[in-house]
Amino acid sequence: DTAVSQTPKYLVTQMGNDKSIKCEQNLGHDTMYWYKQDSKKFLKIMFSYNNKELIINETVPNRFSPKSPDKAHLNLHINSLELGDSAVYFCASSQSPRSRGYTFGSGTRLTVV
Amino acid sequence: SQQGEEDPQALSIQEGENATMNCSYKTSINNLQWYRQNSGRGLVHLILIRSNEREKHSGRLRVTLDTSKKSSSLLITASRAADTASYFCATDSPEGGSEKLVFGKGTKLTVNP
Repeated sequence: DTAVSQTPKYLVTQMGNDKSIKCEQNLGHDTMYWYKQDSKKFLKIMFSYNNKELIINETVPNRFSPKSPDKAHLNLHINSLELGDSAVYFCASSQSPRSRGYTFGSGTRLTVV
Repeated sequence: SQQGEEDPQALSIQEGENATMNCSYKTSINNLQWYRQNSGRGLVHLILIRSNEREKHSGRLRVTLDTSKKSSSLLITASRAADTASYFCATDSPEGGSEKLVFGKGTKLTVNP
């Protein structure tokens, strides 16, 4: 009965490859997000989708393409992976009026070698 | 862009002691939230305080908010070893709408048994 689940948990891949991370939430929330946490634990928002519509794109390189087939899913596809893409990627969801905060997934640790 | 700055960056205390973490931010806010992150895990929402509130309690947690100083504090009373984690403040600002949270760098708390 995991609330926000992401797969895979770990991803090791070579530079130049294309990879996807999947996220699903079963909370009925209307908004989903992707956050990136770097090696210094700094969390930065990448994308936000509200009911399948892109709301926020925080100057993320266009190698990153989110896709939301429905409001319960938000996937992240990354093309031509670079060493600097190595980080932990967190999916999260929330529900208006957001008085209960966000619910985060357990993260996907991406290592580009 | 980063909004919150936590202070201290790291805090080490003995079990049973109180832990106080501070957060400063730069812009006006709708609300401020605190999250906990255990090592290798996702973020867990602890408490949300609205901009018109000054203090809020939840169990052993006490949060204060001073909008005139643009600062907040999180107090954990009677700490336990299980409280060992990183704690992040995050702000939800009118400028950014309510669709994203901007996180600070976090305070790493170690509670020694």
